[in-house]
Amino acid sequence: QKEVEQNSGPLSVPEGAIASLNCTYSDRGSQSFFWYRQYSGKSPELIMSIYSNGDKEDGRFTAQLNKASQYVSLLIRDSQPSDSATYLCAVRGRTGGFKTIFGAGTRLFVKA
Amino acid sequence: EAEVAQSPRYKITEKSQAVAFWCDPISGHATLYWYRQILGQGPELLVQFQDESVVDDSQLPKDRFSAERLKGVDSTLKIQPAELGDSAMYLCASSLRQGGYEQYFGPGTRLTVT
Repeated sequence: QKEVEQNSGPLSVPEGAIASLNCTYSDRGSQSFFWYRQYSGKSPELIMSIYSNGDKEDGRFTAQLNKASQYVSLLIRDSQPSDSATYLCAVRGRTGGFKTIFGAGTRLFVKA
Repeated sequence: EAEVAQSPRYKITEKSQAVAFWCDPISGHATLYWYRQILGQGPELLVQFQDESVVDDSQLPKDRFSAERLKGVDSTLKIQPAELGDSAMYLCASSLRQGGYEQYFGPGTRLTVT
């Protein structure tokens, strides 16, 4: 079992729709959770961080965390073609010396 | 806006040659990370520094890779000798401190070993 799992996609949504990206993690003691956006050939760019259960909103982005289910998600409202990228979930756990583990990412394609 | 600087942006080298990458973190960030990202995968931590000290280098192939951060500011990652399997994106990131602080990435160095 991978420590951080994401559906590789591609996830295709029409422009203006809500894109929902999901991530599960195996370390129950994890405390810090991050979403990064990565355009092809570029480096990851931090979008959101979340540390407690519930929702956290920033503009068109909402991160949702459920520690009991070991599940974190990212919602993108009013999706734009410029949102087309790979979205990486990152989790800082207790195992491995509190290392931050990245998922392999979900490719999102927003159709104009 | 403060950014992590990396150089070079691209590097092509022949196998068995030596290669070095440089990183300058965001000013005031005590923690510096080197990651390797293979196409289609997430970044994998190679080494983490807290100031000038190595905190985690458990995934660093120490027979060929070395990293230093002598004055606790900028850092160098070296590969000698390079192998074909080292072709990847090498990413540097920094955070204010260790722990659950947000990490910010530099533009990366794309290494191709021929």
